Amino acid sequence: GAVVSQHPSWVICKSGTSVKIECRSLDFQATTMFWYRQFPKQSLMLMATSNEGSKATYEQGVEKDKFLINHASLTLSTLTVTSAHPEDSSFYICSAREQSPYGYTFGSGTRLTVV
Amino acid sequence: KQEVTQIPAALSVPEGENLVLNCSFTDSAIYNLQWFRQDPGKGLTSLLLIQSSQREQTSGRLNASLDKSSGRSTLYIAASQPGDSATYLCAVNNAGNMLTFGGGTRLMVKP
Repeated sequence: GAVVSQHPSWVICKSGTSVKIECRSLDFQATTMFWYRQFPKQSLMLMATSNEGSKATYEQGVEKDKFLINHASLTLSTLTVTSAHPEDSSFYICSAREQSPYGYTFGSGTRLTVV
Repeated sequence: KQEVTQIPAALSVPEGENLVLNCSFTDSAIYNLQWFRQDPGKGLTSLLLIQSSQREQTSGRLNASLDKSSGRSTLYIAASQPGDSATYLCAVNNAGNMLTFGGGTRLMVKP
């Protein structure tokens, strides 16, 4: 089946620094990828939709200047958390949709801790 | 706006029981519905995908049904095992790209 690889699985960074998270579709091309955030014991919250070759679409309330998304190829989308603060600490998960049968595949997630 | 609700929020059962997890959604104009499993600190693993034209899908001990007109889906787990302990998420895909998730059911299967 389709595989989405997300890296790193966990990262600790200092306040004010930036962190990049990568999401790759390994065996299929994904013109669209999705970035989610998940707080402890809560469900997933869609942050943005990443579109290959064009600007990402952000959900209401998500700061586009803080969460930079780049989707430069059909197999790679990146999320950069800029000027990270402790409140950005969370679990970030990406996903992509297969061409057929239109199910979604998720990455393994990235645990970000900002100290 | 699509809203997805999962009941119960948490469930604890002894090993070997058959159990049913429920998912309801408000907008029946869906493209498909997907059930996922999430282990603590991990990503989501797709369990079953039901297209809007289908009534059910089966994989091993798992069976998912879909009643689009009433806005309901159930995930049936037969002969539960401790390894089934996880959070189960229901997600609805309306026409378009976006998935709407339920709040999840946290399942604990006791040996």
